[in-house]
Amino acid sequence: DAGVTQSPTHLIKTRGQQVTLRCSPKSGHDTVSWYQQALGQGPQFIFQYYEEEERQRGNFPDRFSGHQFPNYSSELNVNALLLGDSALYLCASSLKASFNQPQHFGDGTRLSIL
Amino acid sequence: AQKVTQAQTEISVVEKEDVTLDCVYETRDTTYYLFWYKQPPSGELVFLIRRNSFDEQNEISGRYSWNFQKSTSSFNFTITASQVVDSAVYFCALRGMDSSYKLIFGSGTRLLVRP
Repeated sequence: DAGVTQSPTHLIKTRGQQVTLRCSPKSGHDTVSWYQQALGQGPQFIFQYYEEEERQRGNFPDRFSGHQFPNYSSELNVNALLLGDSALYLCASSLKASFNQPQHFGDGTRLSIL
Repeated sequence: AQKVTQAQTEISVVEKEDVTLDCVYETRDTTYYLFWYKQPPSGELVFLIRRNSFDEQNEISGRYSWNFQKSTSSFNFTITASQVVDSAVYFCALRGMDSSYKLIFGSGTRLLVRP
C-alpha cells in the first residue's frame, strides 16, 4: 500500500522563477492538502483540493496555485519565487468522507531559492 | 481564532529518562480534534495519536501516553524510558469542525535523547 509520494525531493530555483511540485495521495484517498514548513517552524496550511477544486485556502498569496487531477494527484505551483518561499513543502492526503481520520503526509519537497 | 502553543522549543534528556512535551490550544469550536505528529530528520510527518474533544480519557500506547485536559486546554505527550530513536521534532495540531481538513500546527518541540 503506497503512501503519499512527492516529487522532486529537492529543488533549487532563483528569484522570479516558477516551480511545480507534485504529489500522489495514499491509495484510496481523494483529498489533498498542501503545507509550507519554514525552517524551525510548524507547517502552515496553503490549500486543499477535493473533486479537482480548491476547497479551502490558507493565508497565502495568489502566486501559490494548485491543481488536482482525476486520479486525485495534485500539483502545487508557485510563481515569481521569493527568497522567503524557501521551505519544505508537504503534501497530505485524506478521505473526505472520514473527517475524523488523520491526514497522511509525504516526505516533502525541499525548495531552496537563491 | 485557533492557535496551538508548544512553549518548549528544545528538550534534551538522557536515554531512559521520562519526558513530557507540552501542548496548549485555543479554539471556540465545541467539537475539534487534536493530533500529535513526529517529524524525524527525513521530513515526513508521522501520525502518533488523534483525540476528539468529547473524549478526555488518557491514552497509553507502549512507552507513549497522552493527557488531554479540556479544563486547561492542554494535550500533553509523555514518553517513558526515552530512547535515542525518539529524537525528532514533535508537533501538536488542532483541527476544528469549521475548518475541514486544515490542521493548525504548533511550532514544534525538538527532542534530543542522548545515549
